[in-house]
Amino acid sequence: NAGVTQTPKFRVLKTGQSMTLLCAQDMNHEYMYWYRQDPGMGLRLIHYSVGEGTTAKGEVPDGYNVSRLKKQNFLLGLESAAPSQTSVYFCASRQTGDTEAFFGQGTRLTVV
Amino acid sequence: GENVEQHPSTLSVQEGDSAVIKCTYSDSASNYFPWYKQELGKGPQLIIDIRSNVGEKKDQRIAVTLNKTAKHFSLHITETQPEDSAVYFCAAWATGGGNKLTFGTGTQLKVEL
Repeated sequence: NAGVTQTPKFRVLKTGQSMTLLCAQDMNHEYMYWYRQDPGMGLRLIHYSVGEGTTAKGEVPDGYNVSRLKKQNFLLGLESAAPSQTSVYFCASRQTGDTEAFFGQGTRLTVV
Repeated sequence: GENVEQHPSTLSVQEGDSAVIKCTYSDSASNYFPWYKQELGKGPQLIIDIRSNVGEKKDQRIAVTLNKTAKHFSLHITETQPEDSAVYFCAAWATGGGNKLTFGTGTQLKVEL
């Protein structure tokens, strides 16, 4: 039981490049979330999903897209990376009816 | 939407002393208040939580208090140890509506020997 796994752990992108961050959970959770963590700003919600095939915008969705084609996977895409997207990205999942969110170990992304 | 403020942003204590971190929230519909601990290089992990029908909850050296009238909640760590050094986040959530946790900005706690 690995919990929540994020791939990759580190990445450096050039401005304008695209990439996809993968989040996988093996707990059969319905809810999945993508957060970004920046110094002094805490964790801010980018997008979330309440189940397979559904996605919704969070607090800071601009510049990101997501997909939840399979229940266990939640993908975060950057179509054209910008330096402002330099951050640490965390994925989390939660089961319906439960309150505890389980987090992955994070992806440190640098856009130069 | 919900807004959660957290203070202080950094806190340094001597080993064995107590540490207190305070949060306020804005949405009176919020009824669930978790605290997460984030160790260096890791994701946040739930350490304690409290619901709005409870004023205080304790788990060994950590406790959380909630003042629903004032929309304040606090984390108390007693007899601090070096392994308590981490970033702590408070959060708020209205479990009856919406599916999103709103986090505070975090407190970097350093326990010095």
